[in-house]
Formats: sequence, C-alpha cells, structure tokens
Amino acid sequence: AQSVTQPDIHITVSEGASLELRCNYSYGATPYLFWYVQSPGQGLQLLLKYFSGDTLVQGIKGFEAEFKRSQSSFNLRKPSVHWSDAAEYFCAVGDNFNKFYFGSGTKLNVKP
Amino acid sequence: DVKVTQSSRYLVKRTGEKVFLECVQDMDHENMFWYRQDPGLGLRLIYFSYDVKMKEKGDIPEGYSVSREKKERFSLILESASTNQTSMYLCASSITSAAGELFFGEGSRLTVL
Repeated sequence: AQSVTQPDIHITVSEGASLELRCNYSYGATPYLFWYVQSPGQGLQLLLKYFSGDTLVQGIKGFEAEFKRSQSSFNLRKPSVHWSDAAEYFCAVGDNFNKFYFGSGTKLNVKP
Repeated sequence: DVKVTQSSRYLVKRTGEKVFLECVQDMDHENMFWYRQDPGLGLRLIYFSYDVKMKEKGDIPEGYSVSREKKERFSLILESASTNQTSMYLCASSITSAAGELFFGEGSRLTVL
C-alpha cells in the first residue's frame, strides 16, 4: 500500500540557517512526488513536484528537493531560511489513478 | 489565476444538524477531492470525483456524502453532524493526468457542538 512518512513533527531552525525536511514514501511503481506548504489558516500551496528526469527539482521560494530512488526519499531543502518560511510542510505521493497520499506534515518554526 | 473557492471559511453547527460544504473551481478540472485535516494525521481523503455525477469513496467516507451535479462544483454533506467531525475540510481539484497536481481551496473549519 502507498504511504508517506514525514519523521519530524516539529523542526526549529534559526533564520539564515539551512533546512532539510525529510520524506520517505512507499510506492510500487515510479512515484509522482510533491511538496506542499500550508500557512496558518490557509489551504495548501504547491512548492515543487517530481515526475521524471533530473532527480534534483527546483521549486518556488528558493526550495529544492532531491529524489533518491534507492532510499525511497524525497527530502526538501533550502539553503537559507527566512522567517516567512514558518509553516507546515506536507510531502505527497500521487499514483496513476489521480489519487494522492499525504504525510502527516512537519511544522517549521523559525527563530529570529 | 487558478482558483478553488470554498464557500464557508468557518462554521459552527450543532450535533445532528445537516451540514453542506460547497466547493467551486474555475479551472475546468475533471477531478475534485474532499480531504479532512486533523493535527498529527495529515490529510485524509473523504471522497473524490473524476467526472460529473461520478464519485468514489476515499479512506474515511463514513458519515459523509458528496454531490457533483456540475463539473465546477463539488459538495460535501454531513447528514447528521457529530462532534468527532469537528475538523478542517479542504477541497482540491486536478486535471486527469499523472502529472496533474492538486489545487487547494483555503479550507472550511467546522466546529460541531
């Protein structure tokens, strides 16, 4: 069965520090992978997505993610975090039948 | 700009009331979804629809029903609201393609007293 694991529930980083949010998935075929961000009280906004090709994917707001098939991972990174990046981040897997499976989310706090 | 609009941002209802959550998208997307979001549980799929008048159960359909009479509109119905349905409800839409990502509305926060 398809599943997505985000092992970190909360992460706190200092402004200007680098960030890595972890995501592991379980899926039988080539996955379609997504990262979404949710600001408080809002819906989810797509940060980036991976379908095929280059395993390093660039997204909006300076985020990138790397697909590693051998590790079944799709970790999100940002070299220098800004206070406005404080939000909740969700990793998701999409299948060939237009269904999506979400992780439980990672809440990011940014210290001044 | 693409848009998914949920008609009510905040609702307070009483146990046993019938509740309608409405969602409209202006992107001509085939697929529409209702998710429920609870802390620590992420997003759980309630129902989705891949065409007008078509629907499929998601992972947690119990206590909910849906209606899709027009392509752009997908309604979630709680026939008899219960306190354990207090939650954030998110509507989303997508094109019919493995490459199609989800576009989300801003959510409807429902409190059942």
